[in-house]
Amino acid sequence: GENVEQHPSTLSVQEGDSAVIKCTYSDSASNYFPWYKQELGKRPQLIIDIRSNVGEKKDQRIAVTLNKTAKHFSLHITETQPEDSAVYFCAASKSREYGNKLVFGAGTILRVKS
Amino acid sequence: EAEVAQSPRYKITEKSQAVAFWCDPISGHATLYWYRQILGQGPELLVQFQDESVVDDSQLPKDRFSAERLKGVDSTLKIQPAELGDSAMYLCASSLNQQTHYGYTFGSGTRLTVV
Repeated sequence: GENVEQHPSTLSVQEGDSAVIKCTYSDSASNYFPWYKQELGKRPQLIIDIRSNVGEKKDQRIAVTLNKTAKHFSLHITETQPEDSAVYFCAASKSREYGNKLVFGAGTILRVKS
Repeated sequence: EAEVAQSPRYKITEKSQAVAFWCDPISGHATLYWYRQILGQGPELLVQFQDESVVDDSQLPKDRFSAERLKGVDSTLKIQPAELGDSAMYLCASSLNQQTHYGYTFGSGTRLTVV
């Protein structure tokens, strides 16, 4: 089955700096890659996603890049703010005839120091 | 904004006791998922329903866990007997159907502590 690895496990940055989190996946049939932000004790919330027919997607300070050949994708947060501090999870999924369960990475604790 | 409702928010139970969690998906969502999130890890799928049918329960420990969605709407996840290693956050999610990720939304979860 699918396996998703996520690095780093913790990341500390100064406010205003950029943060990059990387994930690799094993199943070449995966075609949907969401990123979730989870604050302490709260539900995972989708912040951005990308499909396999796109190489990059941006939404304000957040961007995701996908390299299908290498089977890795990355989350980029620019101009980090203290409220960006949270746990971030990547996930991979297949859709249509394969069903659409999400296989998550282990998470990255992001700390933005002010 | 439509939400996935879960109850209870917190549950403390003694090992060997039975415990049940409830989930009400977003109205109109045919697919419902139960995920388990152990502290410090990402969520892992336990069971997926399409309407009232189970489509994936390969990671559900069937000797002690059961799940049902009798009318294809709300769902119950049961553990009997609970073990110390079952302490985790149990997250319910729903999506429009299993052919799409449209509307894939998580509930706030039930945090289970087994003592």
